[in-house]
Amino acid sequence: GAVVSQHPSWVICKSGTSVKIECRSLDFQATTMFWYRQFPKQSLMLMATSNEGSKATYEQGVEKDKFLINHASLTLSTLTVTSAHPEDSSFYICSAHPLGYSGRTYNEQFFGPGTRLTVL
Amino acid sequence: AQTVTQSQPEMSVQEAETVTLSCTYDTSESDYYLFWYKQPPSRQMILVIRQEAYKQQNATENRFSVNFQKAAKSFSLKISDSQLGDAAMYFCAYRSRPAWETSGSRLTFGEGTQLTVNP
Repeated sequence: GAVVSQHPSWVICKSGTSVKIECRSLDFQATTMFWYRQFPKQSLMLMATSNEGSKATYEQGVEKDKFLINHASLTLSTLTVTSAHPEDSSFYICSAHPLGYSGRTYNEQFFGPGTRLTVL
Repeated sequence: AQTVTQSQPEMSVQEAETVTLSCTYDTSESDYYLFWYKQPPSRQMILVIRQEAYKQQNATENRFSVNFQKAAKSFSLKISDSQLGDAAMYFCAYRSRPAWETSGSRLTFGEGTQLTVNP
Protein backbone atom coordinates (compact mmCIF):
# COMPACT_ATOMS: atom_id res chain seq x y z
CA GLY A 1 0.00 0.00 0.00
CA ALA A 2 0.81 3.72 0.12
CA VAL A 3 1.70 4.13 -3.53
CA VAL A 4 2.12 7.50 -5.18
CA SER A 5 2.26 7.85 -8.95
CA GLN A 6 3.40 10.71 -11.14
CA HIS A 7 2.55 11.34 -14.75
CA PRO A 8 4.33 11.81 -17.02
CA SER A 9 7.62 10.27 -15.91
CA TRP A 10 9.50 12.19 -18.58
CA VAL A 11 8.50 15.17 -20.70
CA ILE A 12 10.27 17.30 -23.28
CA CYS A 13 8.70 20.57 -24.30
CA LYS A 14 9.53 23.70 -26.24
CA SER A 15 10.39 26.93 -24.54
CA GLY A 16 7.29 29.03 -23.88
CA THR A 17 4.86 26.15 -23.56
CA SER A 18 3.15 24.92 -20.40
CA VAL A 19 3.51 21.47 -18.89
CA LYS A 20 1.25 19.77 -16.37
CA ILE A 21 2.51 17.10 -13.99
CA GLU A 22 0.07 14.94 -12.05
CA CYS A 23 0.64 13.39 -8.63
CA ARG A 24 -1.81 10.74 -7.45
CA SER A 25 -2.08 8.76 -4.25
CA LEU A 26 -3.34 5.41 -5.51
CA ASP A 27 -4.49 3.63 -2.39
CA PHE A 28 -4.90 6.29 0.26
CA GLN A 29 -6.23 9.77 0.74
CA ALA A 30 -3.89 12.64 1.33
CA THR A 31 -4.88 16.03 2.67
CA THR A 32 -1.36 17.31 2.10
CA MET A 33 0.94 16.87 -0.87
CA PHE A 34 4.35 18.36 -1.34
CA TRP A 35 6.20 19.35 -4.50
CA TYR A 36 9.99 19.22 -4.67
CA ARG A 37 12.56 20.11 -7.25
CA GLN A 38 15.87 18.31 -7.51
CA PHE A 39 18.93 19.16 -9.57
CA PRO A 40 21.51 16.47 -10.37
CA LYS A 41 23.52 15.33 -7.36
CA GLN A 42 21.70 17.79 -5.12
CA SER A 43 19.12 17.56 -2.39
CA LEU A 44 15.37 17.96 -2.70
CA MET A 45 14.21 21.53 -2.56
CA LEU A 46 10.66 22.06 -1.33
CA MET A 47 8.71 24.22 -3.76
CA ALA A 48 5.26 24.24 -2.22
CA THR A 49 2.85 22.54 0.13
CA SER A 50 -0.52 21.65 -1.31
CA ASN A 51 -3.59 21.16 0.85
CA GLU A 52 -6.79 19.77 -0.58
CA GLY A 53 -9.37 22.44 -1.21
CA SER A 54 -7.15 25.40 -0.40
CA LYS A 55 -4.42 27.45 -2.00
CA ALA A 56 -0.92 26.07 -2.02
CA THR A 57 1.74 27.51 0.24
CA TYR A 58 4.86 28.39 -1.73
CA GLU A 59 8.39 28.51 -0.42
CA GLN A 60 10.30 31.74 -0.58
CA GLY A 61 11.74 32.36 -4.01
CA VAL A 62 9.29 30.09 -5.85
CA GLU A 63 7.18 31.98 -8.39
CA LYS A 64 3.51 31.28 -7.77
CA ASP A 65 2.45 32.37 -11.24
CA LYS A 66 5.01 30.16 -12.90
CA PHE A 67 4.44 27.02 -10.88
CA LEU A 68 0.69 26.60 -10.54
CA ILE A 69 -0.43 23.99 -8.05
CA ASN A 70 -3.93 22.59 -7.77
CA HIS A 71 -5.06 20.04 -5.20
CA ALA A 72 -8.61 19.39 -6.31
CA SER A 73 -9.20 16.09 -4.54
CA LEU A 74 -7.82 13.96 -1.75
CA THR A 75 -5.92 11.83 -4.26
CA LEU A 76 -4.72 14.27 -6.91
CA SER A 77 -2.45 17.28 -7.02
CA THR A 78 -1.13 18.89 -10.19
CA LEU A 79 1.85 21.11 -10.88
CA THR A 80 1.73 23.22 -14.03
CA VAL A 81 4.93 24.85 -15.20
CA THR A 82 3.76 27.83 -17.24
CA SER A 83 5.79 29.41 -20.04
CA ALA A 84 8.59 26.96 -19.43
CA HIS A 85 12.19 27.96 -20.10
CA PRO A 86 15.37 25.88 -20.24
CA GLU A 87 16.24 26.86 -16.67
CA ASP A 88 13.07 25.10 -15.53
CA SER A 89 14.53 21.81 -16.69
CA SER A 90 14.81 19.65 -13.59
CA PHE A 91 13.51 16.60 -11.78
CA TYR A 92 10.21 17.23 -10.02
CA ILE A 93 9.09 14.97 -7.18
CA CYS A 94 5.83 14.92 -5.27
CA SER A 95 5.05 13.32 -1.94
CA ALA A 96 1.80 12.68 -0.13
CA HIS A 97 0.95 12.52 3.55
CA PRO A 98 -1.77 9.96 4.36
CA LEU A 99 -4.84 10.75 6.35
CA GLY A 100 -5.53 8.00 8.84
CA TYR A 101 -8.91 6.58 9.68
CA SER A 102 -8.95 8.41 13.01
CA GLY A 103 -8.27 11.69 11.29
CA ARG A 104 -4.70 11.69 12.48
CA THR A 105 -1.99 11.50 9.87
CA TYR A 106 0.79 8.97 9.90
CA ASN A 107 4.31 10.22 10.42
CA GLU A 108 5.54 9.29 6.97
CA GLN A 109 5.37 10.89 3.55
CA PHE A 110 5.23 8.68 0.47
CA PHE A 111 7.08 9.79 -2.61
CA GLY A 112 6.23 9.58 -6.27
CA PRO A 113 8.82 8.31 -8.77
CA GLY A 114 9.48 11.78 -10.10
CA THR A 115 9.11 13.57 -13.43
CA ARG A 116 12.05 14.63 -15.54
CA LEU A 117 11.30 17.87 -17.38
CA THR A 118 13.49 19.00 -20.25
CA VAL A 119 12.75 22.35 -21.85
CA LEU A 120 14.35 22.94 -25.22
CA ALA B 1 13.81 27.27 11.15
CA GLN B 2 15.27 23.81 11.28
CA THR B 3 18.43 22.86 9.42
CA VAL B 4 19.93 19.48 8.60
CA THR B 5 23.60 19.01 7.80
CA GLN B 6 25.33 16.04 6.24
CA SER B 7 29.04 16.69 6.26
CA GLN B 8 30.06 13.73 4.10
CA PRO B 9 29.27 14.36 0.40
CA GLU B 10 30.67 10.94 -0.51
CA MET B 11 31.43 7.72 1.32
CA SER B 12 32.60 4.33 0.19
CA VAL B 13 32.54 0.91 1.81
CA GLN B 14 33.61 -2.59 0.91
CA GLU B 15 30.91 -5.14 0.41
CA ALA B 16 30.03 -6.91 3.71
CA GLU B 17 31.66 -4.15 5.76
CA THR B 18 30.00 -1.56 7.99
CA VAL B 19 29.67 2.14 7.23
CA THR B 20 28.28 5.06 9.23
CA LEU B 21 26.75 8.14 7.66
CA SER B 22 26.64 11.31 9.73
CA CYS B 23 23.83 13.80 10.19
CA THR B 24 23.40 16.74 12.53
CA TYR B 25 20.44 19.03 12.84
CA ASP B 26 19.45 22.21 14.54
CA THR B 27 16.05 22.81 16.12
CA SER B 28 14.44 24.49 19.09
CA GLU B 29 11.60 21.97 19.15
CA SER B 30 11.43 19.13 21.65
CA ASP B 31 9.29 16.70 19.69
CA TYR B 32 9.98 15.77 16.09
CA TYR B 33 10.76 12.95 13.69
CA LEU B 34 14.02 12.10 11.99
CA PHE B 35 14.35 10.00 8.87
CA TRP B 36 16.92 8.47 6.59
CA TYR B 37 15.90 8.16 2.96
CA LYS B 38 17.69 6.31 0.20
CA GLN B 39 17.62 7.50 -3.40
CA PRO B 40 19.04 4.92 -5.83
CA PRO B 41 19.82 5.74 -9.48
CA SER B 42 16.13 5.32 -10.29
CA ARG B 43 15.63 8.44 -8.13
CA GLN B 44 12.69 6.90 -6.25
CA MET B 45 12.87 8.02 -2.63
CA ILE B 46 12.79 5.07 -0.25
CA LEU B 47 12.36 5.35 3.50
CA VAL B 48 15.15 3.49 5.26
CA ILE B 49 14.47 4.20 8.90
CA ARG B 50 12.67 6.65 11.16
CA GLN B 51 13.17 7.85 14.72
CA GLU B 52 10.73 9.64 16.99
CA ALA B 53 12.51 12.15 19.18
CA TYR B 54 10.65 11.23 22.36
CA LYS B 55 11.86 7.64 22.09
CA GLN B 56 15.25 7.10 23.68
CA GLN B 57 15.76 3.72 22.07
CA ASN B 58 17.60 3.82 18.77
CA ALA B 59 15.60 2.58 15.81
CA THR B 60 16.74 -0.49 13.89
CA GLU B 61 15.56 -2.04 10.63
CA ASN B 62 17.42 -5.23 9.77
CA ARG B 63 20.94 -4.14 8.70
CA PHE B 64 20.19 -0.46 9.29
CA SER B 65 20.40 1.21 12.67
CA VAL B 66 20.71 4.73 13.96
CA ASN B 67 22.61 6.40 16.74
CA PHE B 68 20.29 9.13 17.96
CA GLN B 69 21.90 11.62 20.33
CA LYS B 70 19.18 14.16 21.13
CA ALA B 71 21.28 16.46 23.28
CA ALA B 72 23.99 16.60 20.66
CA LYS B 73 21.40 16.83 17.85
CA SER B 74 23.08 14.01 16.01
CA PHE B 75 21.43 11.25 14.01
CA SER B 76 23.85 8.88 12.28
CA LEU B 77 22.98 5.85 10.15
CA LYS B 78 24.91 2.62 10.40
CA ILE B 79 24.70 0.11 7.58
CA SER B 80 25.98 -3.33 8.51
CA ASP B 81 26.99 -6.08 6.09
CA SER B 82 26.88 -3.61 3.19
CA GLN B 83 25.47 -4.92 -0.07
CA LEU B 84 25.89 -3.71 -3.63
CA GLY B 85 22.23 -2.70 -3.61
CA ASP B 86 22.90 -0.25 -0.80
CA ALA B 87 24.75 2.03 -3.22
CA ALA B 88 22.69 5.20 -3.44
CA MET B 89 22.35 8.78 -2.29
CA TYR B 90 21.27 8.91 1.34
CA PHE B 91 19.36 11.86 2.77
CA CYS B 92 18.79 12.69 6.40
CA ALA B 93 15.51 14.51 7.01
CA TYR B 94 13.72 16.31 9.85
CA ARG B 95 10.02 16.75 10.39
CA SER B 96 8.27 18.68 13.10
CA ARG B 97 5.60 16.96 15.16
CA PRO B 98 2.78 19.43 15.81
CA ALA B 99 0.46 18.98 18.74
CA TRP B 100 -2.40 17.94 16.50
CA GLU B 101 -1.45 16.20 13.29
CA THR B 102 -4.40 16.93 11.05
CA SER B 103 -2.18 17.46 8.06
CA GLY B 104 1.35 16.63 7.06
CA SER B 105 4.21 18.94 7.86
CA ARG B 106 7.21 19.53 5.67
CA LEU B 107 10.42 17.56 5.58
CA THR B 108 13.74 19.37 5.77
CA PHE B 109 16.48 17.46 3.98
CA GLY B 110 20.22 17.44 4.35
CA GLU B 111 22.53 17.79 1.38
CA GLY B 112 22.91 14.07 0.93
CA THR B 113 25.73 11.51 1.07
CA GLN B 114 26.58 9.47 -2.01
CA LEU B 115 27.42 5.95 -0.89
CA THR B 116 29.51 3.67 -3.09
CA VAL B 117 29.77 -0.03 -2.30
CA ASN B 118 32.87 -1.71 -3.65
CA PRO B 119 32.74 -5.43 -4.49
